[in-house]
Amino acid sequence: EDQVTQSPEALRLQEGESSSLNCSYTVSGLRGLFWYRQDPGKGPEFLFTLYSAGEEKEKERLKATLTKKESFLHITAPKPEDSATYLCAVQTGPYGQNFVFGPGTRLSVLP
Amino acid sequence: EPEVTQTPSHQVTQMGQEVILRCVPISNHLYFYWYRQILGQKVEFLVSFYNNEISEKSEIFDDQFSVERPDGSNFTLKIRSTKLEDSAMYFCASRTGTSLSDEQFFGPGTRLTVL
Repeated sequence: EDQVTQSPEALRLQEGESSSLNCSYTVSGLRGLFWYRQDPGKGPEFLFTLYSAGEEKEKERLKATLTKKESFLHITAPKPEDSATYLCAVQTGPYGQNFVFGPGTRLSVLP
Repeated sequence: EPEVTQTPSHQVTQMGQEVILRCVPISNHLYFYWYRQILGQKVEFLVSFYNNEISEKSEIFDDQFSVERPDGSNFTLKIRSTKLEDSAMYFCASRTGTSLSDEQFFGPGTRLTVL
C-alpha cells in the first residue's frame, strides 16, 4: 500500500530562521512527487513537481529536493506570509491516476 | 488564469438527505478528482474520473457516492444519504493528463455540514 508521511507535524520558526520539512514515501511506481501549500479553509495550491531522484526545484524562498525515499522542502529566511500547511503528495498508477497525500506540516513563522 | 471552481462554498444538510456538489474543472483538462478533508485531518482521495468513467476509487467511495459529468463542463459528486461523518471539506481537482505525471489544480472546496 502506498504511504506518505511528513515530519514534523508542526513547526514554529522565527522570521529569517531557515529550516526543512520532510516527506517520506513508500510507493510502487512513483510517477511524480508534488508539494502543495494549503491555507486554512482553502484548497491546496501547487508549488512543485519532482520526477526523479536528484532533482531540485526552486521558487523564491522554497527549494524542493527528491531522493528515492524522501523529499525535502527547504525554506530559506522565511517570512510570516509563508505560514501555512505544506502538503506532500505522490502520484502512482499505470496512468498516473492515483494521488496519495501526506498529513502535512503546519508551519508558523513568527515576526 | 484558468481555475477550478466549486459550488456551493458551504452546504448544510440534514442527515439522510441527498447532496450534490458541483465542480467546473479547467476546460482542457481530462482527469478529474474528488477529495475530502475532515477538519484537522489529511486530504483523502475519493475518486478519479477519465473518459466519462471512474478510473480509480478509494474505500471511502462506497455505494452512497456517485460522480457524473453531465455535460462538457460540470463534474458532480452526489452523496445519496448523508451521514454525520460525511461532514468535511470536499475538493475537486483536475489535471491535463498530457503526461503521466502532471500536477493537479484544486478548487476552493465545498464545506459540507451534516446535522
